[in-house]
Amino acid sequence: DARVTQTPRHKVTEMGQEVTMRCQPILGHNTVFWYRQTMMQGLELLAYFRNRAPLDDSGMPKDRFSAEMPDATLATLKIQPSEPRDSAVYFCASGPSQGADTQYFGPGTRLTVL
Amino acid sequence: AQKITQTQPGMFVQEKEAVTLDCTYDTSDQSYGLFWYKQPSSGEMIFLIYQGSYDEQNATEGRYSLNFQKARKSANLVISASQLGDSAMYFCAMREDNAGNNRKLIWGLGTSLAVNP
Repeated sequence: DARVTQTPRHKVTEMGQEVTMRCQPILGHNTVFWYRQTMMQGLELLAYFRNRAPLDDSGMPKDRFSAEMPDATLATLKIQPSEPRDSAVYFCASGPSQGADTQYFGPGTRLTVL
Repeated sequence: AQKITQTQPGMFVQEKEAVTLDCTYDTSDQSYGLFWYKQPSSGEMIFLIYQGSYDEQNATEGRYSLNFQKARKSANLVISASQLGDSAMYFCAMREDNAGNNRKLIWGLGTSLAVNP
């Protein structure tokens, strides 16, 4: 049963620390999306990649956030330095970039910045 | 202007009854896709059903069906024979296809469904 995996599932850190979240997309999927979900803002798209190249990161605060795909099996989202307002659930999703191009979500990383 | 509107913040339904969750969308594209996702209290986002704008038949997946009314720009989710496990947030989303390589989804704010025993 192919699934998107994300690590860590939970992260508690202090303001100013670096946070790295990792995502393994479903094998064969060539689009990867990073989302942030909060009660106030709902689901926001932060960045998305196709064939490892960034296509859209307009939703991402550039000063502290960065997203990369070092290889086809790994996507990373980094926050440096973290702030309390970054507390949220961060989802990674992957898609096949064809047909319905359904996005399949990972379980999310729940980040708390104290 | 919101492109995906889910007008029902919260809904209640009795177990075993059917329920319809509303979704209206706004697009000038001829080609687009509509999705429904479920988010239970555990937090995962689960894909439920997809409807393409050119699909002539309404999509169905088990107890889920999508009531697609193109002229009215609505894509309502119908859940038949509700179960307690259907209690969750439900999100409607749209992908516009005239944006070339841009495959991102536009999301609604969600509807919270509670199934009563």
